[in-house]
Amino acid sequence: SAVISQKPSRDICQRGTSLTIQCQVDSQVTMMFWYRQQPGQSLTLIATANQGSEATYESGFVIDKFPISRPNLTFSTLTVSNMSPEDSSIYLCSVEGLAGGGEQFFGPGTRLTVL
Amino acid sequence: DAKTTQPNSMESNEEEPVHLPCNHSTISGTDYIHWYRQLPSQGPEYVIHGLTSNVNNRMASLAIAEDRKSSTLILHRATLRDAAVYYCILNTGFQKLVFGTGTRLLVSP
Repeated sequence: SAVISQKPSRDICQRGTSLTIQCQVDSQVTMMFWYRQQPGQSLTLIATANQGSEATYESGFVIDKFPISRPNLTFSTLTVSNMSPEDSSIYLCSVEGLAGGGEQFFGPGTRLTVL
Repeated sequence: DAKTTQPNSMESNEEEPVHLPCNHSTISGTDYIHWYRQLPSQGPEYVIHGLTSNVNNRMASLAIAEDRKSSTLILHRATLRDAAVYYCILNTGFQKLVFGTGTRLLVSP
């Protein structure tokens, strides 16, 4: 399994500002995923980020609101832009496993509160 | 995405076995059956996955019905630390995971 860290672990932000969340993996992986978990809800995929290509966004998520960078095989960032209170959620990154079958390993998450 | 159906919640006593059911009647031949769990205030944790045969690992066992339309995650001896939300997910491999609402497992001392 991969060891994944995220920064920051939590933050409180003002409406209209932006926050960049970092995800670091201890091994090289091709696919990284960003999820959102709204309060009391299950996880929803925001986008899939492959190194060297544009991120692929799920329905309801757009690049202008959630720009993603993937500069190398161990790192990715997700920016939450022009935040509103509705963006208050836990944001999680995950990576594919190496055993085959599509298992994923998740970071600890970033808890974002927007005032 | 193929859909799974799980009970909203289940209860167990510590040190007893727990059988968590999942129905996936529309599963396709290439879908793997995955189980994840999410402990309070943590990211989801991979538990186990399988395709056709039953699978065992250090965390749990996965029993897959012969027609693959249902499966059961088996925790052999529940501990308080096993209290979590358990998600059953179908995945065709290296694809996005579509999380449902899962089963909240409560474990009593």
